[in-house]
Order: sequence, then structure tokens, then C-alpha cells
Amino acid sequence: DSGVTQTPKHLITATGQRVTLRCSPRSGDLSVYWYQQSLDQGLQFLIQYYNGEERAKGNILERFSAQQFPDLHSELNLSSLELGDSALYFCASSDRTSGRADLRDTQYFGPGTRLTVL
Amino acid sequence: DAKTTQPNSMESNEEEPVHLPCNHSTISGTDYIHWYRQLPSQGPEYVIHGLTSNVNNRMASLAIAEDRKSSTLILHRATLRDAAVYYCIRNFGNEKLTFGTGTRLTIIP
Repeated sequence: DSGVTQTPKHLITATGQRVTLRCSPRSGDLSVYWYQQSLDQGLQFLIQYYNGEERAKGNILERFSAQQFPDLHSELNLSSLELGDSALYFCASSDRTSGRADLRDTQYFGPGTRLTVL
Repeated sequence: DAKTTQPNSMESNEEEPVHLPCNHSTISGTDYIHWYRQLPSQGPEYVIHGLTSNVNNRMASLAIAEDRKSSTLILHRATLRDAAVYYCIRNFGNEKLTFGTGTRLTIIP
């Protein structure tokens, strides 16, 4: 158990809908990362927040957005869903203690949310 | 280029040592090498990381070549629970982890 929790575990919805995935980082971790894992693309970085601020963006679609709240939990919002958005979505947190990237940073991943778009 | 090169798959017998290779020929002097693994139906799990010298922890050992262009993750005594996809990642400080396709390790009982 990494200490990172994600809800829901499974989500089934229809095309065109909007969903929200939730992540609670390990206690005390200020950094949260979101990744998408699909069969054809592998694990892809989407976005990172540090202490409420967006820090880095990866291959995140404009239909997707995220935020990190004052209590450090994070939400990933996916809208106008398409069949191709079906994937596993992982959240990770790291124990970095400053805003600067540390090359030794270790990320702790949650169990993921499996999104199925029908 | 953040890419590392790993074999797509490997097999090993249970209770034998496993050596998982990784090529990172374009590595720069300050990049760390991180290894993660992903067990079936789970999120990735940190295994080990290093910069220049060999590293050991309770899960594995990491042997880094002197020129740093390659490294090897060593599982000293593989168990069935070590069956997973192992990812070798260069961490050069751009916040994200860039996962390749990894090596799918199968453990034969």
C-alpha cells in the first residue's frame, strides 16, 4: 500500500459525458502527478501540481483539467468523453520538500481508476 | 531524448537471480536512473534509483556502468511475486517520469 488513494476504482460512462477522478496523496506529500495508461500509448504523464500550483504539463488534452485543493487532494476532470479516453488513470505523489525538481524524487502511485467509455 | 532501451521480455526461474538490463546511452552527467515496476492490475511501484555508484536496498540492487550509458537491475532471488513490467527511467529533472515500454518479467516456477 503506497498511501495514495484514488476514487472511484472503476467508472463506466457514455461518450460525451463528464467525470471527475479523485486522488488523495500520501500524508504530507505536496506534489501530485496524474498519468494515463492505455493499451496503445502506455503510461503517459498528464499534469503535475505542487502545493496547489500547476508545475508541469504533459500530453493532456484540452478537454481534461485538474486542480489541487488546499487540503492537497487533487481532482482530474475529463469532459466530452470519447471512446479513446478509456484507460487507467493513475495519481502519484512525491515527498519532495521544495518547489524545485529533485532528480532523486520518488513517486508513489495509487491503485488507479479504470475508466470505460461506452 | 529521454528514452531508455530495455528488452521487451525476459524469463527467469524462481529463486534464481535476475539481471534486467537498460541502455541509456544519451544520459547526461546529472541524470539519475530510476527503476519502477508494475505488478498486474496495480500502479507502478518504486524499486530503486542511483546516479553513479552501485546501490542496494531491500528490494534490489542497481549496478551502473562506469560510463553510465547502461545499468542493470538485479533481483537476487526471484519469486513469483516479482513477475511484473520493469521500467528503467532517466530522471533529468523535468518533473515528470517518462515511461517506456519496459521489460515484462515472467518467473517460471
